[in-house]
Amino acid sequence: ELKVEQNPLFLSMQEGKNYTIYCNYSTTSDRLYWYRQDPGKSLESLFVLLSNGAVKQEGRLMASLDTKARLSTLHITAAVHDLSATYFCAVDNQAGTALIFGKGTTLSVSS
Amino acid sequence: DSGVTQTPKHLITATGQRVTLRCSPRSGDLSVYWYQQSLDQGLQFLIQYYNGEERAKGNILERFSAQQFPDLHSELNLSSLELGDSALYFCASSVQSVHYNEQFFGPGTRLTVL
Repeated sequence: ELKVEQNPLFLSMQEGKNYTIYCNYSTTSDRLYWYRQDPGKSLESLFVLLSNGAVKQEGRLMASLDTKARLSTLHITAAVHDLSATYFCAVDNQAGTALIFGKGTTLSVSS
Repeated sequence: DSGVTQTPKHLITATGQRVTLRCSPRSGDLSVYWYQQSLDQGLQFLIQYYNGEERAKGNILERFSAQQFPDLHSELNLSSLELGDSALYFCASSVQSVHYNEQFFGPGTRLTVL
């Protein structure tokens, strides 16, 4: 069974600090997706990582993919309150017909 | 705004009832996916349609069914509703390229079964 595991599941950060969210998956997929969800809202696509070694950055967020280790990281630099949300990683299922999501990491940034 | 629309936004109904959720994909997207999000199960894939045909099934109950129409909008039908069906139901759409499968999510329908 394909598994996607995120850790930590909850993260309380102070503004200005750095932290990393980890996403491990059990498939051989070389494609990984990061989404953001605000409470009660939809999922917003953040990053699409398509190959081993892929790195993408947007503002204070940077995502990377290591397909050999089956690991993706989402690094947060100098956190601000606006980054408070739940972050999901996802991979394609074996047939490429659906996304399998991790449980999500709920990030809370306080001053 | 992802370009995916869903109606209604909220739905409150009673056990045993039947409801229909509607989704319109982004312009040009042929694939539509339905997901259920609940606190205990997380985000679960239910079913996918591609250009009117069912393509894949996930953890979809027999009481649930879906279809995609010629204009590519999709409907998810939930029948004999139980308390445990209360959840947020998302529709997503994608181009479904062989190279990647980035999915764009609608605002969701929050279903409450009383």
